[in-house]
Amino acid sequence: GQQVMQIPQYQHVQEGEDFTTYCNSSTTLSNIQWYKQRPGGHPVFLIQLVKSGEVKKQKRLTFQFGEAKKNSSLHITATQTTDVGTYFCAVEEAGSNYKLTFGKGTLLTVNP
Amino acid sequence: DAGVIQSPRHEVTEMGQEVTLRCKPISGHNSLFWYRQTMMRGLELLIYFNNNVPIDDSGMPEDRFSAKMPNASFSTLKIQPSEPRDSAVYFCASSPDLNYGYTFGSGTRLTVV
Repeated sequence: GQQVMQIPQYQHVQEGEDFTTYCNSSTTLSNIQWYKQRPGGHPVFLIQLVKSGEVKKQKRLTFQFGEAKKNSSLHITATQTTDVGTYFCAVEEAGSNYKLTFGKGTLLTVNP
Repeated sequence: DAGVIQSPRHEVTEMGQEVTLRCKPISGHNSLFWYRQTMMRGLELLIYFNNNVPIDDSGMPEDRFSAKMPNASFSTLKIQPSEPRDSAVYFCASSPDLNYGYTFGSGTRLTVV
């Protein structure tokens, strides 16, 4: 099945610092989705990227899809305590009829 | 919209017992997914349906697991007999169609003792 690597596994930052998580695949992706899961909560859909080199912004969050469509990043500017949670990327397995595989996630903790 | 509704929220059962998890997707969503989440294995797709038809059940661990979607507004995931290694959080998610973002339910935390 589709292998997608997310790094780092954990990131602890001071409030106000920036944060970036990366998602890497060995194969070309048709699209990629990002989700956030708060501790004890459920994954919440953030965004889907489809086009090569695409950049999308949601307030302090910036999402990028690599030119080769093999990697993606999520960047948070000036983190806040409300950003705490695990951020997952999810990719469609090639030829799978839209089967979505989730990465292991990056757990972000923010020190106030 | 109430979102994706799962029941029960928590289930504690003894090994060997049958467990049934329930899900009501968002009205109008054609695709429904069952995921299992554990610390060790992360989020694993068990099975998904499109227009009530199972598309891929290759993630179902073994014959003890079965899932049904008798109509567009209801799905069940059944484990019989349950084992301690089945302990996990089980999420149901729905989307308007395949290749859209998913809306997850709040999950069922299953503990098998």
